[in-house]
Amino acid sequence: AQSVSQHNHHVILSEAASLELGCNYSYGGTVNLFWYVQYPGQHLQLLLKYFSGDPLVKGIKGFEAEFIKSKFSFNLRKPSVQWSDTAEYFCAVNALNFGNEKLTFGTGTRLTIIP
Amino acid sequence: EAGVTQFPSHSVIEKGQTVTLRCDPISGHDNLYWYRRVMGKEIKFLLHFVKESKQDESGMPNNRFLAERTGGTYSTLKVQPAELEDSGVYFCASSAKGRGSNTEAFFGQGTRLTVV
Repeated sequence: AQSVSQHNHHVILSEAASLELGCNYSYGGTVNLFWYVQYPGQHLQLLLKYFSGDPLVKGIKGFEAEFIKSKFSFNLRKPSVQWSDTAEYFCAVNALNFGNEKLTFGTGTRLTIIP
Repeated sequence: EAGVTQFPSHSVIEKGQTVTLRCDPISGHDNLYWYRRVMGKEIKFLLHFVKESKQDESGMPNNRFLAERTGGTYSTLKVQPAELEDSGVYFCASSAKGRGSNTEAFFGQGTRLTVV
């Protein structure tokens, strides 16, 4: 079974600081990788995803993530954060089992941006 | 286009009572998923419907939980009788029919269930 680890539980940054949130997964096969974000009072929404191809993927709102297969990692980055990035961020994977796309999530990282 | 909607947004019930959560997926999405997040922990998979059929219910915690998706449209998740440990946020997600898992899941806002 796959598992996902997010080592940063709560991150506090000042505006304009650079961000990197760690995500490691455990699964021996091929996976799809996702970062979801939940802004206060809103639903989970997809930030970016990796299915195949270029391991550096760009998402919405200036976020990007790099898939490093040898490290089983998919860290999320943003060069300069804004106050509006305050939210909870979830890394997720699904194994390429044909016909079932269930997601395995990490515990989430709460990001607080100080103006 | 309407997104995934869940009702109610909040529910507070006493231990031993019954609660039914509802999820309306995006129209035309064959796949419907239920997930749950207990406070401070990860979002965990409960089950997966493909149209009206249960594809995978390996995440259902016990037989107090019953999910249905009659007609392959909306789904309900009933908890009967509710226990304190059932408290959490229940998320529903839907995705279009796809093969090889390359389809994006869209989530609802969740139902926050509190059992007292």
